[in-house]
Amino acid sequence: NAGVTQTPKFQVLKTGQSMTLQCAQDMNHEYMSWYRQDPGMGLRLIHYSVGAGITDQGEVPNGYNVSRSTTEDFPLRLLSAAPSQTSVYFCASSYGGHQETQYFGPGTRLLVL
Amino acid sequence: EDKVVQSPLSLVVHEGDTVTLNCSYEVTNFRSLLWYKQEKKAPTFLFMLTSSGIEKKSGRLSSILDKKELFSILNITATQTGDSAVYLCAVEYSGGGADGLTFGKGTHLIIQP
Repeated sequence: NAGVTQTPKFQVLKTGQSMTLQCAQDMNHEYMSWYRQDPGMGLRLIHYSVGAGITDQGEVPNGYNVSRSTTEDFPLRLLSAAPSQTSVYFCASSYGGHQETQYFGPGTRLLVL
Repeated sequence: EDKVVQSPLSLVVHEGDTVTLNCSYEVTNFRSLLWYKQEKKAPTFLFMLTSSGIEKKSGRLSSILDKKELFSILNITATQTGDSAVYLCAVEYSGGGADGLTFGKGTHLIIQP
């Protein structure tokens, strides 16, 4: 199993550009989440999904969209990038919402100029 | 206001020392508290605590939860340079519309040889 994979590993955007961060898992997990990590801030939940076709907002959802058309994929879309979205983004998945078995992807480092 | 507060934010000790990391929280409808270790990549899971007074142990690491006083500690004995990392505390709670974990800012632990 590849576990949780994220692409790209690193991306530079200009203000106003849009892009999609990809996340995929091959463990048949129902729960998937996106977090951002900023220096001194810990991890903050952006959006999450409890299953295909179901998504909901987390703590810091503004400026981001998600969709969950399949169990495996949970892309995060930045509609119009802003410098405040410079961060490291982690995708995570877990089976049935049991946080103990939450697996994190390797992260995507995003720089918005 | 921060729901999960970790202390200290950074700590430098010598190899062989014992360290205690603190995590206090202020949430309603508490479900569980989790500790993660983060080196240069994604966080890796250490412990999940749901009941007061029951110590969880894994090698030189141990953790305990006090639900009355709303805090947890993570102990590391006989520290090694490989223990250098950021240790994250996260709390799972129901309500507020966000299903996920709320993280503290982390404790940056440096073990000097």
